[in-house]
Amino acid sequence: DAGVTQSPTHLIKTRGQHVTLRCSPISGHKSVSWYQQVLGQGPQFIFQYYEKEERGRGNFPDRFSARQFPNYSSELNVNALLLGDSALYLCASSLLAQPEETQYFGPGTRLLVL
Amino acid sequence: AQSVTQLDSHVSVSEGTPVLLRCNYSSSYSPSLFWYVQHPNKGLQLLLKYTSAATLVKGINGFEAEFKKSETSFHLTKPSAHMSDAAEYFCVVSVMKTSYDKVIFGPGTSLSVIP
Repeated sequence: DAGVTQSPTHLIKTRGQHVTLRCSPISGHKSVSWYQQVLGQGPQFIFQYYEKEERGRGNFPDRFSARQFPNYSSELNVNALLLGDSALYLCASSLLAQPEETQYFGPGTRLLVL
Repeated sequence: AQSVTQLDSHVSVSEGTPVLLRCNYSSSYSPSLFWYVQHPNKGLQLLLKYTSAATLVKGINGFEAEFKKSETSFHLTKPSAHMSDAAEYFCVVSVMKTSYDKVIFGPGTSLSVIP
């Protein structure tokens, strides 16, 4: 079975640009979460979506937005990129959106903002 | 509010000796607790989780953790370290009753195993 897939694997952008990251969950999983992992730190929770609705949000500015599609795939959008947005962006999927659910992580998208 | 503290940023052990990675948490609600491992250039993988059942939780690769509510701790242990255990380990708190900061990762502990 395919795991969580993310695209692209790497991305280079310049300040002020916009970026869209994509995630496909494990088949049958209805919840997708997004995390930002800055080098040398633990992942920080950005969003959780379940059945196309936002179920959780971390402490990130409004430049960050996301959505989930009917097939449960998801997009993370970041507007007006800053140098500090350079990070590994991780997507995780789970069956439901309960706190005890195991999350299965994708390999991530490495974003570099110049 | 929720928070996670991993008391050691780096732990170094000899192969075959015990491993102890410490985690303390703070939560306004009864949390679910997890340990995830991240090998270099690989994705995060679940080691084990506590979800209000048995307080001693067994995970993959010989790891286990004990939930101690009175100490708000969830330390990760393994009786005998293997070279393949060298990785970054994250303690995670997850709660349901808030829609903000639902999942909190600790800063991580880097484990080195000396041959």
